[in-house]
Amino acid sequence: AQKITQTQPGMFVQEKEAVTLDCTYDTSDQSYGLFWYKQPSSGEMIFLIYQGSYDEQNATEGRYSLNFQKARKSANLVISASQLGDSAMYFCAMRPMDTGRRALTFGSGTRLQVQP
Amino acid sequence: GAVVSQHPSWVICKSGTSVKIECRSLDFQATTMFWYRQFPKQSLMLMATSNEGSKATYEQGVEKDKFLINHASLTLSTLTVTSAHPEDSSFYICSAYRGDNQPQHFGDGTRLSIL
Repeated sequence: AQKITQTQPGMFVQEKEAVTLDCTYDTSDQSYGLFWYKQPSSGEMIFLIYQGSYDEQNATEGRYSLNFQKARKSANLVISASQLGDSAMYFCAMRPMDTGRRALTFGSGTRLQVQP
Repeated sequence: GAVVSQHPSWVICKSGTSVKIECRSLDFQATTMFWYRQFPKQSLMLMATSNEGSKATYEQGVEKDKFLINHASLTLSTLTVTSAHPEDSSFYICSAYRGDNQPQHFGDGTRLSIL
């Protein structure tokens, strides 16, 4: 079984500052993928970034980077230069890569509010 | 642009009505799609995995007779909430599997309100 833990129900950040959203996970799978999604108030799920368990380098996508520490089983999302439009719910998710189960397991989410 | 389309976005109907929600992959063939349910201020909970040409796999606690899933083509999966009641009111969202190293893309979701 897989489990994702997001310990920050809510976070505040000033516009233009960086913010780190925490995610820890637990799995017995050797190969797995970690994902971050953004969900604005309108409800859609927007894919942000992906990290494979065997990727040696941390993933980056524009202002998003994933701080992957495999030994600590953490996959924190770093958003640089926060913008007002970054205010949303953020979900960390994972799924195994070496089994037939393809569904994502989600954490409880972190609500980020960017303040002007 | 969107790669997964979900329709309708909003449904308001009377108790006892059956409601069908469609999930389409727009520019790829999706042999596997997923249906999630989300209550306000909570995370997404997997309801079932929809497999093209075969029966859906339901998660524990999800009533398969209440939530009928049909994946009749490589680009379309439907979720029918049968004889819906107020407790079925929720946000339903689908996603499509595109490959091991590909992110799952989601539809925009359906807000279902049963009066």
